[in-house]
Amino acid sequence: QVRLQESGPGLVKPSETLSLTCSVSGGSITNYYWTWIRQPPGKGLEWIGNIYYGGGTNYNPSLKSRVTISVDTSKNQFSLKLSSVTAADTAVYYCARGLPWQYWGQGTLVTVSS
Amino acid sequence: EIVLTQSPGTLSLSPGERATLSCRASQSVTNSNLAWYQQKPGQAPRLLVYGASFRATGIPDRFSGSGSGTDFTLTISRLEAEDFAVYYCQQYGSSLQSFGQGTKLEIK
Repeated sequence: QVRLQESGPGLVKPSETLSLTCSVSGGSITNYYWTWIRQPPGKGLEWIGNIYYGGGTNYNPSLKSRVTISVDTSKNQFSLKLSSVTAADTAVYYCARGLPWQYWGQGTLVTVSS
Repeated sequence: EIVLTQSPGTLSLSPGERATLSCRASQSVTNSNLAWYQQKPGQAPRLLVYGASFRATGIPDRFSGSGSGTDFTLTISRLEAEDFAVYYCQQYGSSLQSFGQGTKLEIK
């Protein structure tokens, strides 16, 4: 059974860097696309970007200058870093596997506030 | 970047009725790489349909997808109480994926 679990701080200060990790169990991270998606409170879904192990990354053009997605095969995890955050980055952040996304994490709420 | 526009924004129907949700792309979606997701409050989205018309594992056959090019449809043949939720289309034919803004299916 494939499971994904997001983890990281629930509160980040403006101008700082948001860092989240997605831990994968029930399967190897050395295959598939691995994706981050977010959803501001009461709003729709926004694709942040993805990474394919052994391949490259793709980022949403609106976030590209601030986003880095990476994979840690030794821990079977992948990560998201979003720099220079503002209140507009407050959202539930999801990680997902595949293309399209068959498996999702439960999501984690990150609030940007001082 | 492909922009997806869903209509209607809100659809009010009764259990037992048929629901038709639309998703229009700003340019042709490669290989009909279009998916539909269902999202209920407080939950992660669930994959319903991929490749425009293939039901994901465990999805009831009352859900069906159709379309190609720039116009796609999700049909729910006979609504059940559990189907009232928000539905999103998503294209993955491009290296830059994107979602529609969602259709809220509510009980009339």
